[in-house]
Amino acid sequence: AQSVTQLGSHVSVSEGALVLLRCNYSSSVPPYLFWYVQYPNQGLQLLLKYTTGATLVKGINGFEAEFKKSETSFHLTKPSAHMSDAAEYFCAVSARIRSFGNEKLTFGTGTRLTIIP
Amino acid sequence: DSGVTQTPKHLITATGQRVTLRCSPRSGDLSVYWYQQSLDQGLQFLIQYYNGEERAKGNILERFSAQQFPDLHSELNLSSLELGDSALYFCASSVAPGESGYTFGSGTRLTVV
Repeated sequence: AQSVTQLGSHVSVSEGALVLLRCNYSSSVPPYLFWYVQYPNQGLQLLLKYTTGATLVKGINGFEAEFKKSETSFHLTKPSAHMSDAAEYFCAVSARIRSFGNEKLTFGTGTRLTIIP
Repeated sequence: DSGVTQTPKHLITATGQRVTLRCSPRSGDLSVYWYQQSLDQGLQFLIQYYNGEERAKGNILERFSAQQFPDLHSELNLSSLELGDSALYFCASSVAPGESGYTFGSGTRLTVV
């Protein structure tokens, strides 16, 4: 079974400051990891994902995340926050399985990011 | 445009009524997932279908039901609606076992008055 814990339901950063959103996962098998972003009144949009290979993953809008197996973490960062980054961010984990139709993404509870002008 | 189409975008209905939400998955995706998102409950997984078959059930009420049709579109039926059913309902679809994640639609906002 997989689970995800997002530390901090609300995070506020100043415009231009570093964004760090924390995600820790639990998985009995090697995981696939995802970050999604949800802007107000919109659906969830994939920001980035880790499946295999390089542990530092770059996504859209300047975001990146690093898979750290030893720490079971997949924290999301952005060097310089922009007002347009204000949104809710969801971390998610999926198991590496090979049977179609049994894939399941487990989401964290989300972190609402506020950018202070 | 994510490729996942949900209709209608907004729905206002009275308590006790029944509504149907529709989802067309991204082309080639066989799995469809339904989620409910409300302020107090967050993102809740309701049910998954794969190629017409129910594969997983989450926190779906008995008043709610869903199905996936041969053309792979899916419908979520909500009946005997209560005020607390007011929420955003999302559909998502996926193709590969795990690594591609889900593609979400833009949701249906249901308001029960």
